[in-house]
Amino acid sequence: NAGVMQNPRHLVRRRGQEARLRCSPMKGHSHVYWYRQLPEEGLKFMVYLQKENIIDESGMPKERFSAEFPKEGPSILRIQQVVRGDSAAYFCASQTGRVDTEAFFGQGTRLTVV
Amino acid sequence: AQRVTQPEKLLSVFKGAPVELKCNYSYSGSPELFWYVQYSRQRLQLLLRHISRESIKGFTADLNKGETSFHLKKPFAQEEDSAMYYCALLTGNQFYFGTGTSLTVIP
Repeated sequence: NAGVMQNPRHLVRRRGQEARLRCSPMKGHSHVYWYRQLPEEGLKFMVYLQKENIIDESGMPKERFSAEFPKEGPSILRIQQVVRGDSAAYFCASQTGRVDTEAFFGQGTRLTVV
Repeated sequence: AQRVTQPEKLLSVFKGAPVELKCNYSYSGSPELFWYVQYSRQRLQLLLRHISRESIKGFTADLNKGETSFHLKKPFAQEEDSAMYYCALLTGNQFYFGTGTSLTVIP
């Protein structure tokens, strides 16, 4: 089991472009969380998804940000028309969905908007 | 509503001194609590969880339901403990993380 895989590890985008961040959960995990970590800041919850469902997107900005976790393939966090303030590390975590189980984190994608 | 509160954003202690990282939670049910650690430029990893009642790298954490707290403690801090620490609450299937405390151990 390769663990939670995020790609790319580093992503550079110009202002106005789109950023697509991918997260492949651990095998057997059907729950995915996305978090944003700004420089010198803590971890901020963005969205919680199960396969084909968004369970809680209360931490996600209303505009430009979207997330999906299709039946097949990785979870995608999509940021349209990126701005400098979107520069951050984005972490994905996955969990089996069974009660009492821990969440496992990916190594993150560091997005830089220039 | 904030489910997990870590009141200290930054904490510095000298090597060999005791350290306590505070965590308070808000949940009416039976909580599952965790501490995660993130060393410089690495992924977050589980440090300990309250149901296992174990000590990892000298750290312990006791769940106090009366005070709704789950503070992380270590009697003698080491330089390699310098990291970001996150307290997390699992309710049902959803994880809530605190905003983290950055611990610096001064040699």
